[in-house]
Amino acid sequence: DVQMTQSPSSLSASVGDRITIACRASQSISNYLNWYQHKPAKAPKLLIYGASTLQSGVPSRFSGSGSGTDFTLTISSLQPEDFATYYCQHSYNTPFTFGQGTRLEIK
Amino acid sequence: QVQLQESGPGLVKPSQTLSLTCTVSGASLSSGTHYWSWIRHHPGKGLEWLGYISYRGYTYYNPSRQSRVTISVDTSKNQFSLKLSFMTAADSAVYYCARTLQVERRATGGWDYYFDSWGQGTLVTVSS
Repeated sequence: DVQMTQSPSSLSASVGDRITIACRASQSISNYLNWYQHKPAKAPKLLIYGASTLQSGVPSRFSGSGSGTDFTLTISSLQPEDFATYYCQHSYNTPFTFGQGTRLEIK
Repeated sequence: QVQLQESGPGLVKPSQTLSLTCTVSGASLSSGTHYWSWIRHHPGKGLEWLGYISYRGYTYYNPSRQSRVTISVDTSKNQFSLKLSFMTAADSAVYYCARTLQVERRATGGWDYYFDSWGQGTLVTVSS
């Protein structure tokens, strides 16, 4: 199975900050990489697929990049509603696997 | 807008079989472009994909759970279901159902798979 590792596991930031979350795959996955946002007691939300394609309705302050084994999710200017846990997930092959999550907290 | 809703028992005894159902509205399970997945979230841990099913009943299970997982579909009710046998405390988790899009990359011939709609999740606790 492809193992996905995210860093950091948690991050404290302020509204207006620019933050980056990293995701590394245990082998090359081309750009078959998706990002999700998860808030407590809510359904996870797809943000980005194909490493860099923004899902419809997702604000443009979210962006993704990377290919091969290293990927990043960037939020250009944090808004109060962005504080959540973020997961990467590969779809290079089955089984699909997720990173362990990055918890984004208010500083 | 597609909506998914999980239903089933919140408490299961050890060694029993968990049965959950996902009811889909706003989309037809008979659509050939979608798969339907079950995913779980262990407290304090990450997400684990258990498997998916197509409307025709084609299934793929995570090999790590394959011996215990069964996913089925009832297109007449627009529902799909999960059975997980021989439950233990390690199976206590929030269980989600999710629509899985399969999108062809025409330039390269590859396929993207991503979970674009999720249910709210249902907490399942394994305890005697």
